Amino acid sequence: GDSVTQMEGPVTLSEEAFLTINCTYTATGYPSLFWYVQYPGEGLQLLLKATKADDKGSNKGFEATYRKETTSFHLEKGSVQVSDSAVYFCALEQAGTALIFGKGTTLSVSS
Amino acid sequence: NAGVTQTPKFRVLKTGQSMTLLCAQDMNHEYMYWYRQDPGMGLRLIHYSVGEGTTAKGEVPDGYNVSRLKKQNFLLGLESAAPSQTSVYFCASSLPPNYEQYFGPGTRLTVT
Repeated sequence: GDSVTQMEGPVTLSEEAFLTINCTYTATGYPSLFWYVQYPGEGLQLLLKATKADDKGSNKGFEATYRKETTSFHLEKGSVQVSDSAVYFCALEQAGTALIFGKGTTLSVSS
Repeated sequence: NAGVTQTPKFRVLKTGQSMTLLCAQDMNHEYMYWYRQDPGMGLRLIHYSVGEGTTAKGEVPDGYNVSRLKKQNFLLGLESAAPSQTSVYFCASSLPPNYEQYFGPGTRLTVT
């Protein structure tokens, strides 16, 4: 079945460091891909998405490109802030079904 | 516009007790979902609904029942709670074809 694998954390960075969180997927067809973020004590929020190959999703300085050839959707940010500390989930969705999530990656940014 | 709300926020149950979690959305979304979140497991789908009066099983449906009598509400029931159902439960909704899901704040359930 479809699945999402993302790098295990926690990821610990200093403020202004470069961030990469790896995400790869296994799916039939052409799923939409998402990154969700969960801040402490809150529900998940959509961070960015891409619906077809080579699409780049971006939001709040975060970017991810839908790479069909490598089945990847890695999350990047050029300069992280303390406020970016959260849990990040990669997910895929086939049309008409629910999301399939990775296990989440905890990011901790210190000043 | 409240988005997705969940009731209650916290609950402690004894093994064998029953309870119902309520999810409500005011965005006129067709699809609604119940997930559980456990450490190191990510979110796993329990049940979902593609419209009023419909429900379907997700990845981990055992021990749970759901109902969608009104479009805006999606109820999750635990008939006989077990310690393995200790988790954080999230409700979500979406409006096809966008499929972006909007999440509620979660319900933390402890079964002793």
